[in-house]
Amino acid sequence: KAGVTQTPRYLIKTRGQQVTLSCSPISGHRSVSWYQQTPGQGLQFLFEYFSETQRNKGNFPGRFSGRQFSNSRSEMNVSTLELGDSALYLCASSLGRLAGGETQYFGPGTRLLVL
Amino acid sequence: KNEVEQSPQNLTAQEGEFITINCSYSVGISALHWLQQHPGGGIVSLFMLSSGKKKHGRLIATINIQEKHSSLHITASHPRDSAVYICAVYYGGATNKLIFGTGTLLAVQP
Repeated sequence: KAGVTQTPRYLIKTRGQQVTLSCSPISGHRSVSWYQQTPGQGLQFLFEYFSETQRNKGNFPGRFSGRQFSNSRSEMNVSTLELGDSALYLCASSLGRLAGGETQYFGPGTRLLVL
Repeated sequence: KNEVEQSPQNLTAQEGEFITINCSYSVGISALHWLQQHPGGGIVSLFMLSSGKKKHGRLIATINIQEKHSSLHITASHPRDSAVYICAVYYGGATNKLIFGTGTLLAVQP
């Protein structure tokens, strides 16, 4: 079975631009969660999607949004990029929801640099 | 406040040593995860615990619900165990999110 894939792997943007990141979960997995990792803040939860609905959200501004398609693939969008958005963005998929204590399978991440 | 604390932050061990990494959390949780992150970013889920103890190879994870504490043990450590180990807890109810510890950087020297 193929693992979780994320595209692109690396991205350079300038302040004020917007970016869309993509995540393809393991086949059969219905939950996709997104995380931001920075040297200063560590790993932080962004949001979880399950059956095309956002189920919960971390403490991030509205500039961070996402969606999930009927095939469980998910996209994350960040608008009006700021320097502080430079980070490794990770997605993870699981069979069921986070609330069910499901094992998460992480993708390799997208490294975003905002100049 | 929902927090996760890990200790130690950094750990250096000699090959073959028994290693323990600790994780404490503040309130009742639904599940606790132990993750491993190698240089380069890839994260692997090692264990998910809601009670008791789990073992996989040389890795053992325990959780004490009453004391709000979990430990990850590595027996007969090896240089390939060198990585960052991260504890993450899922707070249900109104919080409904996964919160991560700051990680423990482990270096196992040959």
